Amino acid sequence: EPEVTQTPSHQVTQMGQEVILRCVPISNHLYFYWYRQILGQKVEFLVSFYNNEISEKSEIFDDQFSVERPDGSNFTLKIRSTKLEDSAMYFCASSEGGGAETQYFGPGTRLLVL
Amino acid sequence: SQQGEEDPQALSIQEGENATMNCSYKTSINNLQWYRQNSGRGLVHLILIRSNEREKHSGRLRVTLDTSKKSSSLLITASRAADTASYFCATAMNRDDKIIFGKGTRLHILP
Repeated sequence: EPEVTQTPSHQVTQMGQEVILRCVPISNHLYFYWYRQILGQKVEFLVSFYNNEISEKSEIFDDQFSVERPDGSNFTLKIRSTKLEDSAMYFCASSEGGGAETQYFGPGTRLLVL
Repeated sequence: SQQGEEDPQALSIQEGENATMNCSYKTSINNLQWYRQNSGRGLVHLILIRSNEREKHSGRLRVTLDTSKKSSSLLITASRAADTASYFCATAMNRDDKIIFGKGTRLHILP
């Protein structure tokens, strides 16, 4: 069964460094998402991406965040200058038909900012 | 906010018993989805129920949706130790919308 994959599974970085989290969505899906979950808290929406552009972003998704689909398979989240509070699990998701359809989540990248 | 809120926050039951979790939300929705998350792991999709549906089944799972009360319930019958996890409801307001997660119910199945 097709699944969303994410790399790396864990990332440790120093405050102020840039990180790039990578995702490979399910191949025939058209809608892509990033969510994050701070330890012990709920899953929070960051950004949605459709037709090669951001369709919606939350207030969390400020100027230090960016997303890109550099080729036909990868979907990346870049955090330019990490802060301690960016430490969280970051989930990528994809769906065939937007919010009306099931969103399939990857296993997540656990980011720790020191 | 269309945020879903699960109830109870935590639930412990004996293996073999049924577990019921509830979710309430605030605005009209296109659909509601339930996800499971094992500790420190990813989110596994369980069921999607659309706003024009009232009940759906999948194996030991039964989901109901009452749009007049803006609430949904997830029933797990004949619980097993492997059902121990956190369960989240997530709502989508529009067809193209992101989904908004509730805080989850932590379910613990006692042997």
